[in-house]
Amino acid sequence: QKEVEQNSGPLSVPEGAIASLNCTYSDRVSQSFFWYRQYSGKSPELIMSIYSNGDKEDGRFTAQLNKASQYVSLLIRDSQPSDSATYLCAGRGSARQLTFGSGTQLTVLP
Amino acid sequence: DAGVIQSPRHEVTEMGQEVTLRCKPISGHNSLFWYRQTMMRGLELLIYFNNNVPIDDSGMPEDRFSAKMPNASFSTLKIQPSEPRDSAVYFCASSLAVGRGRDEKLFFGSGTQLSVL
Repeated sequence: QKEVEQNSGPLSVPEGAIASLNCTYSDRVSQSFFWYRQYSGKSPELIMSIYSNGDKEDGRFTAQLNKASQYVSLLIRDSQPSDSATYLCAGRGSARQLTFGSGTQLTVLP
Repeated sequence: DAGVIQSPRHEVTEMGQEVTLRCKPISGHNSLFWYRQTMMRGLELLIYFNNNVPIDDSGMPEDRFSAKMPNASFSTLKIQPSEPRDSAVYFCASSLAVGRGRDEKLFFGSGTQLSVL
């Protein structure tokens, strides 16, 4: 099993809908989790971090962590065309470096 | 803050040539990471430094790759000799490690697009 796995997509949602992005992880990267957004040709940009079970909300973004099932998700409410990007899930275990998933490409259709 | 600064933004070189990528981390950050991104393999960690000391270089593909961090504000990644399969985007990132580091956040530079012909 890869340490961090994501559905590569692509995922398309209409404008105004909720986009749901999912990620599963292995025991090696179970300490904390991060969601990064990467626009085409740009560098990854941190959106949210989470390390406790449950939900964490920041504006239109909600990160959800379920340690028993070893998955972490990102919900984007009221999706906008400007949210169209690749979303990278990353996990950290006892080592300090982040391990990234392959990313999910999201397209929000006007 | 200017963020993580990388240079050059683009590098085109011929196979066999030496390539040097440069990075200036965010001031005050004590950790620096070099990642490589390709369509096939995604973002891969090459090496990271803590307080200018290399901690984990297990991701460095082979002896052709080397990295240095002579001081807290500068790092280089060198490829010698370069090969076409080294073509990728190379990102430098920095962070501030505090305590257990659970919420330590990584900030990326703009990347260097390397093309080896």
